[in-house]
Amino acid sequence: QQQVKQSPQSLIVQKGGISIINCAYENTAFDYFPWYQQFPGKGPALLIAIRPDVSEKKEGRFTISFNKSAKQFSLHIMDSQPGDSATYFCAASLAGNTPLVFGKGTRLSVIA
Amino acid sequence: EPEVTQTPSHQVTQMGQEVILRCVPISNHLYFYWYRQILGQKVEFLVSFYNNEISEKSEIFDDQFSVERPDGSNFTLKIRSTKLEDSAMYFCASSYYGTAYEQYFGPGTRLTVT
Repeated sequence: QQQVKQSPQSLIVQKGGISIINCAYENTAFDYFPWYQQFPGKGPALLIAIRPDVSEKKEGRFTISFNKSAKQFSLHIMDSQPGDSATYFCAASLAGNTPLVFGKGTRLSVIA
Repeated sequence: EPEVTQTPSHQVTQMGQEVILRCVPISNHLYFYWYRQILGQKVEFLVSFYNNEISEKSEIFDDQFSVERPDGSNFTLKIRSTKLEDSAMYFCASSYYGTAYEQYFGPGTRLTVT
């Protein structure tokens, strides 16, 4: 019930392409869905987040699509660049300042 | 831009020893968290702290662990008697309050137990 399932485990995308990472959750009480980017040896950095009252949020090249009925959300990285190569984690939490439940991560490699 | 800081960046300790990991959260944040990440695995929640007391803890956070806010800026995680399986990256995070749910993570402390 508390799990967040993330796929794919790894992803290779050509420079300029679109990277798509998907997450699914079971707990309908989840109220906040962030994505984090992590480079090797660094802490997770908040990338973009969404609440369930909207179906899409865009910030620059990064877009979250949210499907409440399917209990799924995804991260789209447009015009992917080699500098985007990192591990991406989706997460979810209940309302308020509550613990994040993380997915297992997706290792993205953007090749020229 | 304000950021969460953590010290040390790397701690090596022998099994059975006590370690204290230190964090300085973002100054106006009120909620503090510890997470850990075993090499190559997902980030897991350990404990959250608000108003000078634990607000939530996971099953990982057993009697060997404790947290403290010894002064107005530091937030510490103590492991009393380290085990080999405690080897991991430990991340501190902080968030504001109310509808600002964003949690900001520090760079982590790599704990190696030998």
